[in-house]
Amino acid sequence: GAVVSQHPSWVICKSGTSVKIECRSLDFQATTMFWYRQFPKQSLMLMATSNEGSKATYEQGVEKDKFLINHASLTLSTLTVTSAHPEDSSFYICSAAGANYGYTFGSGTRLTVV
Amino acid sequence: TQLLEQSPQFLSIQEGENLTVYCNSSSVFSSLQWYRQEPGEGPVLLVTVVTGGEVKKLKRLTFQFGDARKDSSLHITAAQPGDTGLYLCAGGNNRLAFGKGNQVVVIP
Repeated sequence: GAVVSQHPSWVICKSGTSVKIECRSLDFQATTMFWYRQFPKQSLMLMATSNEGSKATYEQGVEKDKFLINHASLTLSTLTVTSAHPEDSSFYICSAAGANYGYTFGSGTRLTVV
Repeated sequence: TQLLEQSPQFLSIQEGENLTVYCNSSSVFSSLQWYRQEPGEGPVLLVTVVTGGEVKKLKRLTFQFGDARKDSSLHITAAQPGDTGLYLCAGGNNRLAFGKGNQVVVIP
């Protein structure tokens, strides 16, 4: 079955620093990857959609200069949280979609900004 | 925006009991998906329903898609503690939108 690896699974960083989260499709080519954010006891909120080789499409209210998304290959997308602040602390989850696969989710990254 | 409303938001039952949770929308979906999410993990796909009126079974879980493809239900028979988790329904054409989830707790 389709497997998506997300790394790191958790990270603690200081305010003002940047954090990069990787999302890899291990056994299929992901034409589209999605980034979600989930606050405690809430559902997944779509942040952006990225297609390989093109700019990401951000949802309303999501700052593209703060949440940098790069989808340089069919198996890797990265989300960089720039100049992180405590309010950016959340659970970030990626999802990958390929031609013959539905949506497969990574295991998530718990970001804590102190 | 296609909104998905899930109810009840929280449900606690005793082991062996049955339960049903619901996912409703005013929009028509070409398909709906149900996921289960454990704390600190990503959602895991349980089933995709495509045809109006469709019923799919996954062991003790029964999923139904409404005739009008606007709603879906998940029924668990003889719930086990291992069924505890957040059940999310999701749908959309080019990207998935999620409901807020049904938090199910099965007490041994």
